[in-house]
Amino acid sequence: GAGVSQTPSNKVTEKGKYVELRCDPISGHTALYWYRQSLGQGPEFLIYFQGTGAADDSGLPNDRFFAVRPEGSVSTLKIQRTERGDSAVYLCATSSGGNEQFFGPGTRLTVL
Amino acid sequence: KQEVTQIPAALSVPEGENLVLNCSFTDSAIYNLQWFRQDPGKGLTSLLLIQSSQREQTSGRLNASLDKSSGRSTLYIAASQPGDSATYLCAVRGPTGANSKLTFGKGITLSVRP
Repeated sequence: GAGVSQTPSNKVTEKGKYVELRCDPISGHTALYWYRQSLGQGPEFLIYFQGTGAADDSGLPNDRFFAVRPEGSVSTLKIQRTERGDSAVYLCATSSGGNEQFFGPGTRLTVL
Repeated sequence: KQEVTQIPAALSVPEGENLVLNCSFTDSAIYNLQWFRQDPGKGLTSLLLIQSSQREQTSGRLNASLDKSSGRSTLYIAASQPGDSATYLCAVRGPTGANSKLTFGKGITLSVRP
């Protein structure tokens, strides 16, 4: 079926606002990951879900960042009180059984 | 803490040249290693996955090798073409198991000149 999809593709917001970024995984993939990529850098891990639960959230930079996956499929990354330093491309990836991670096209977040 | 290094940051070669992209990692206790391609403004496309027990993987003009004990991997591109121009990222998974996170290098930006 279709690959990983992410919406919106671009998001521009003002400092202090709240944003939600959505990831639709490949059907049947139980593992879901969020990464953040700043300009000129490789992606950096944020959080990993196995099913509905966050199995590893050690990459979340602070408590303004939160992610959910209530039904074990779609995931939403939520950022409160956005700061200019949050500007980056947010990537979602999914995998099945410890094999390749397949990435979505990303959401480019710009905080003015 | 795992660290992945890719040097140089950028590379420019003439069309038709065979080339090698290098990747090194500090913790050899990895589950697998994956090479990705990223075009400007796009997401990541998986090129090759090498499990920790494997030495190499091949796909078309691409060959990736893994020397886990020395913490090194190489991506070999044969007969390079302008369409190969992109950023190539190396990432390692583990060691905490099959579903652990990927740790990425910063990537090598390749330009193949016609």
